[in-house]
Amino acid sequence: KQEVTQIPAALSVPEGENLVLNCSFTDSAIYNLQWFRQDPGKGLTSLLLIQSSQREQTSGRLNASLDKSSGRSTLYIAASQPGDSATYLCAVYTGANSKLTFGKGITLSVRP
Amino acid sequence: NAGVTQTPKFQVLKTGQSMTLQCAQDMNHEYMSWYRQDPGMGLRLIHYSVGAGITDQGEVPNGYNVSRSTTEDFPLRLLLAAPSQTSVYFCASSRDASGTNTGELFFGEGSRLTVL
Repeated sequence: KQEVTQIPAALSVPEGENLVLNCSFTDSAIYNLQWFRQDPGKGLTSLLLIQSSQREQTSGRLNASLDKSSGRSTLYIAASQPGDSATYLCAVYTGANSKLTFGKGITLSVRP
Repeated sequence: NAGVTQTPKFQVLKTGQSMTLQCAQDMNHEYMSWYRQDPGMGLRLIHYSVGAGITDQGEVPNGYNVSRSTTEDFPLRLLLAAPSQTSVYFCASSRDASGTNTGELFFGEGSRLTVL
């Protein structure tokens, strides 16, 4: 059974800091991995999707990497801003039952 | 472009009542799904559909029914509401469900349900 872990559960950083959010998964036979952002009381917004054949994806100040063999992904946020404060979730897709397995998320707070 | 639309946003039920959470998408997505999100439990898949007329169970299907009569709509029915079904429910869709090229998953804004 696929398990996705995100540690720590919460993170507080000062504005301007570059930061890395980690995601690990137990079964390396994945098709893709997605990073999502969730603002309080809102739905999830897809940030980056990395296919299993890819090593990384970039969008603006965000860069996500994938290392299937070690079961790890990182989301790098450059020059963090207070508007980046949200919960960040990663999810992996293994194809079994067409199911995404989600981590529990990292709640990020960027202090002005 | 509306994306994924869920109604209602908020609902309070009494134990034993029934109701339907509506979900519609206008992106012609094949795959649609329902998740519930609970504190400390993360997101759990309730039911999903890989196309019109096809539905299947996820992790936590008990107490819920779904149907997919059209590509656009995927309603979730609670038959006999119980306090354990108090949660935030999310509908999500993606372009295809081939298993080898699943696209981005798009979420609705959520439906917050309280069962007293």
